[in-house]
Amino acid sequence: DIQMTQSPSSLSASVGDRVTITCRATQPIDTFLNWYQQKPGQAPKVLIYSASSLQRGVPPRFSGSGSGTDFTLTISSLQPDDFATYYCQQSYSPPYTFGQGTNLE
Amino acid sequence: DVQLVESGGGLVKPGGSLRLSCAASAFTFSDYTMTWVRQAPGKGLEWVSSISTSSGYIYYADSVKGRFTISRDNAKRSLYLQMSSLRAEDTAKYYCARMRIVPSGTGVFDIWGQGTMVTVSS
Repeated sequence: DIQMTQSPSSLSASVGDRVTITCRATQPIDTFLNWYQQKPGQAPKVLIYSASSLQRGVPPRFSGSGSGTDFTLTISSLQPDDFATYYCQQSYSPPYTFGQGTNLE
Repeated sequence: DVQLVESGGGLVKPGGSLRLSCAASAFTFSDYTMTWVRQAPGKGLEWVSSISTSSGYIYYADSVKGRFTISRDNAKRSLYLQMSSLRAEDTAKYYCARMRIVPSGTGVFDIWGQGTMVTVSS
């Protein structure tokens, strides 16, 4: 099975900061990597798919990059609405594993 | 609006069974692979199971294999998860999600329900 490891597990940042979260796979997964945002009490919401494609309706301050085993999610200028938990997820092969999450506070 | 609504959660004793349902609306349900994802209280997301459009491909996480059964009824636009031999560690909110196939050929969970809570406790 492919394991996904995110870093950091938690991150303290301020409005306006540039934030980067990384995700590493235990084997190459091409660009089959998605990013989700989850706020307390809500279902997850997709931000980025295929490593770098922005989901419709998601603000362009969110961007993704990477291929193979190493990926990043970047928020160019943190907004108050962005404080949440972020998960990466591989869609290369089942089980479609998630990273453990990064809590942005 | 495109929507998924889960139901069937509740309190069940260890070793017991429960059947979750997920009702889809405002999209062609039969065109999409569907998935269950769970989240234990205060924990991260865990993929549980996926089923292809015509039920020809079914996958399970090792943690539920042999105990859970995913199924779907395209005529009723519904997804199901039959859970048996439940354990305390199965306690979680269970989400159903739609998998959209993107141009690269892979999938993304683009629509999620609000989840239904399952508590396994004596």
